[in-house]
Formats: sequence, structure tokens, C-alpha cells
Amino acid sequence: AQKITQTQPGMFVQEKEAVTLDCTYDTSDPSYGLFWYKQPSSGEMIFLIYQGSYDQQNATEGRYSLNFQKARKSANLVISASQLGDSAMYFCAMVSRDGSARQLTFGSGTQLTVLP
Amino acid sequence: DTAVSQTPKYLVTQMGNDKSIKCEQNLGHDTMYWYKQDSKKFLKIMFSYNNKELIINETVPNRFSPKSPDKAHLNLHINSLELGDSAVYFCASAQGGGVDSTDTQYFGPGTRLTVL
Repeated sequence: AQKITQTQPGMFVQEKEAVTLDCTYDTSDPSYGLFWYKQPSSGEMIFLIYQGSYDQQNATEGRYSLNFQKARKSANLVISASQLGDSAMYFCAMVSRDGSARQLTFGSGTQLTVLP
Repeated sequence: DTAVSQTPKYLVTQMGNDKSIKCEQNLGHDTMYWYKQDSKKFLKIMFSYNNKELIINETVPNRFSPKSPDKAHLNLHINSLELGDSAVYFCASAQGGGVDSTDTQYFGPGTRLTVL
């Protein structure tokens, strides 16, 4: 069965600094997609960034980048130049085949707090 | 022009009642989902529909019944509500159910259900 592990329940970072949120995954499917979502205190789920298992380069989207290390099965999110508005819960998720269908499996999340 | 919308945003009801949550997407996507987020923020898929056909039906009590009148709508009906049903329910949609970037799931704002 596929599994996503986020080992950091909470993280603190100083404003304007970079921060890395860890994510490791496990799947027997050679084809998969990795996603990061942000959930601010208002509750909505916001898509941030995607990485495909066959992508040769790490994904980047503005201040977000994904440090994809396939052999280590890790897909860490790097946020550069943190802003107060980055304070939120961050979820790593993966789509791969689990049984007869592909489904999105989420990690337990990391609560990021940006300090002024 | 909200992409994925849900109504209501908040739902407070008594144990034993029957309630529905509606979801609509205007993205032209073929696949829609229902997720449950528990009090510990853990997100788990409940159902998935592709072009009005059920493709994922996780281990969910049969008191929960999804209904898809057309591919832009996926409603969730819950019978005989129990205290343990209290959670945030998210609807999501995606172009497909695969692993590509085009299969990114976009979430609605969530419905906070409280069962008294």
C-alpha cells in the first residue's frame, strides 16, 4: 500500500529565511505523482506544486521548490524567503496505483509558523 | 467564478438526522472526489467519480451515499448522522485520475459538519 510520511508535526522559521518541510513516500508503482498542498487557518486546501516520478528536474513554482530524491523516496518542499502569510499546515500527497484505482494519499501534515 | 464550490460551509445538526452537502465544479473536469478531514487534520478519500461513475469507494459506512447528477456535480448525502461524523468534508475535482500534473486535484472550501 502507498504511504506518505511527514515527520515534522511543527516547524518554526524566521521571516525571510528559507525552510524545508520533509516528506518521504512509499509505493510499489513506478509511475506516481507527488503534490504539496497548503491549508491556512481559514481551512481551504491550496495546491502548491507537483512532481512526477519520471521528471528529471526538480519542480519549482515561485518561492516553492521540490527537492525530489527518487532513490531516497523523498520529496521535500523548500519555501524560500518565508513570509508571514506562509504560516499554515502543509500536506504532502501522492497519487499512485493502490489496488485497482489510483488515489491521492496524504501525509499527516506539518504546521509551519513564520515568526516576524 | 469559484472553481470548486461547496454548500453549506457550516452544518450543525442533531444526531440521527439526514443531511446533504453539495459540490459543483466549473473547471470542466471529469473526476470528482469526497474527502474527510478529521479533528487531527488527517485527510482521507471517501469516494471518487469519473464522468458520473463511481470508481473509488473506500471503507465508508453505507450511511454515506454520493450522488453525481452530472459530471460537474457530486453531492454527499449522510443518513442517521452520528457524533463521529463530525469533521470537515472536502470536495475536489481533477481532469483525470492519473499521476500527471493535469490530474492535480483542486479542492472546494470544505464543509464543517458538527453533529450534536
